[in-house]
Amino acid sequence: QVQLQESGPGLVKPSQTLSLTCTVSRDSISTSGYYWSWIRQPAGKGLEWIGRIFTSGSTNFNPSLKSRVTMSVDTSNNQFSLNLSSVTAADTAVYYCARALHDVDAFDLWGQGTMVTVSS
Amino acid sequence: QTVVTQEPSFSVSPGGTVTLTCGLSSGSVSTNFYPSWYQQTPGQAPRTLIYNTHTRSSGVPDRFSGSILGNQAALTITGAQADDESDYYCVLYMGSGILVFGTGTKVTVV
Repeated sequence: QVQLQESGPGLVKPSQTLSLTCTVSRDSISTSGYYWSWIRQPAGKGLEWIGRIFTSGSTNFNPSLKSRVTMSVDTSNNQFSLNLSSVTAADTAVYYCARALHDVDAFDLWGQGTMVTVSS
Repeated sequence: QTVVTQEPSFSVSPGGTVTLTCGLSSGSVSTNFYPSWYQQTPGQAPRTLIYNTHTRSSGVPDRFSGSILGNQAALTITGAQADDESDYYCVLYMGSGILVFGTGTKVTVV
C-alpha cells in the first residue's frame, strides 16, 4: 500500500532553516483527490497542523507559522518538502507528513514521523 | 484565533461507553467543518478513525462512531477495550484552506 517517509536533518541550529522531505511510495503523488500536509508534535504536547500543498503547487499555512513556512512539491521524484525558517527551540518536535482527502479535508495516511531538535 | 477544544482526559471501564467532544471556543461545530478523529498511542504516528463527521476509515472497528451532538462533534467508543487507551484528536476545517487540531483527549481504560 501507499507509504510516506519523512527525511531530513535531525538537528538544526537556532536561527537556521529546518528542511524536511516526504517521499511517497507505491503510488503517484499526482493521484487526484488528495493533498499533502505537514504536522508537528512537540514532546508531550498535541498535534499542530503546519500547512498543506497541492500538486499544482497551491499552498495554505497555519497563520501562526505562515511567515516562516514554505512548501514545495516535486512530482518527478514523488516528493514534497517543508522549509521552516528562523527556527528556535520551540520548533523542536516530531514532524509528520500526511496525505489528506481533498473533498473532506481529512488525513488518511501518515508517515512515521521524524524527530527534529533545534539546538546549538 | 479560534481554539478547538477537547476534554483533557476521560476514564472508561472495559466494555463501557465514552463520548469525546470537539468544540469551538467561539461558535458551533457542524458537518460543514468536516470533523475528523485520530487515535495516537505513545511513540506512534496518529491513526485515522473517522472522517467527514461519521465515516469510519478502513479497518476501524464499528465500536468507534462519529456524530454531531448539539454544537460539537463527537466520537463515541462503545464497548471500550484495553487497547483503546490512547490520545484522541479531532481536526476541523475552518475554511480558507485552514485546518486546526483539537487540544486532544487522553482516554484511560480502567
